[in-house]
Formats: sequence, C-alpha cells, structure tokens
Amino acid sequence: EPEVTQTPSHQVTQMGQEVILRCVPISNHLYFYWYRQILGQKVEFLVSFYNNEISEKSEIFDDQFSVERPDGSNFTLKIRSTKLEDSAMYFCATEGTGDYGYTFGSGTRLTVV
Amino acid sequence: KNQVEQSPQSLIILEGKNCTLQCNYTVSPFSNLRWYKQDTGRGPVSLTIMTFSENTKSNGRYTATLDADTKQSSLHITASQLSDSASYICVVSVRNSGYALNFGKGTSLLVTP
Repeated sequence: EPEVTQTPSHQVTQMGQEVILRCVPISNHLYFYWYRQILGQKVEFLVSFYNNEISEKSEIFDDQFSVERPDGSNFTLKIRSTKLEDSAMYFCATEGTGDYGYTFGSGTRLTVV
Repeated sequence: KNQVEQSPQSLIILEGKNCTLQCNYTVSPFSNLRWYKQDTGRGPVSLTIMTFSENTKSNGRYTATLDADTKQSSLHITASQLSDSASYICVVSVRNSGYALNFGKGTSLLVTP
C-alpha cells in the first residue's frame, strides 16, 4: 500500500532556529497538506497546497511558516524562527484526484527547547 | 464556527465486547465525514468516509453511521480486539474549502484482556 514518508521522525531544535520538515507524497497525488498536533490536543489544519501554490491556510500558518516543493517530489514545511509553542507532531497528508482518501504520514515530532 | 465534538472522551472495554463512539458536528457546508484511527505517536489512518447521501458504511468490524439532518455520526466497533486500543477521531470536511479537514479531539479507547 502506498505510503507518505516523513523525515525526520523526531527533531530537537533550539528556540529561534529554522527547521525544515520533509514529506515524500504518494507519487500520483496532487493535493498536499500539513497538519499539526500539540501533545494531548486535536489535530489542526495548517495549510493545503495544490498546483505549486497554497490553496488554503489556517490562522496558525503565519509568516514564520512556508511550504514548497523544491524538486517537484518532496513537499517541505519550513518554520523560520521556532518558538517553544511550535513543539508538536507535524503530519503531512496527500490526496489524489477524485480520491476522498487522505493518506497521512507517520509524522515528525518537533521539540523546541 | 466549524466544530466537531466527540463523546465519550475515553472508554475502557473488555476484549470481545462491542462499543459505539459518538460524533456531533456543526461544520457547514458539509462535504464528507471520516473516521480515523490514530495509534499513539502515529499518523491517523482512515477507517470510513461518508458523503451527505450515505448513512452507513462498514469496514470490517467498524461500522459508521451518519445522520446529516441531525449532524450526528457514530462508529460502532464489533468484537473488540486488544489492537483496537487507540484514539478514534471524527473528521469533517467543508465543501469548497480546499479540502481542509476539521478534527474532533478523539475518543481514547482502551481494550483490556
């Protein structure tokens, strides 16, 4: 069964540092998403990405966040200057055309110290 | 405001027993409702997806129901197994939203021997 691969699985960074979370989507999927889940809380939508541009973003996705597909395959989430409250699990999800089934990656656990 | 409320918050049942989890939502305009299973530290895995016109859908021992008039859904688990221990999350998507998903907080299910 096709999988969405996320790297790294766990990243520890110092406050104020930049981090890049990576996602390899399922090959024929066209819609890409980032979600986050703070420990003990529900999963929250960050951003959706289609046709090489952001199609929707939440109020969480402020100027410190950015997304791109740098090489046409990987899908990345960059956090420019991390804050303690950015500590969370970050999930990438992808979806193909005509397919209601999101597929989530296993997540990257980001710890900001 | 789009909201998804789940009950109970947590549930403990004996192996082999059945259980039913509830979901109420205020998301509008409604596109579809999904139930996901999330193991600790892992990404959500889709169990069922239902559109407005569907009122029941099964996936093995999982059966989901949807009442679009009352905006309620349930997930019934039959003959529970120890591996069913996980968080079960009700997720509703909004039509014309770029397919962003609205997550409930989940019901934490523990199946004991």
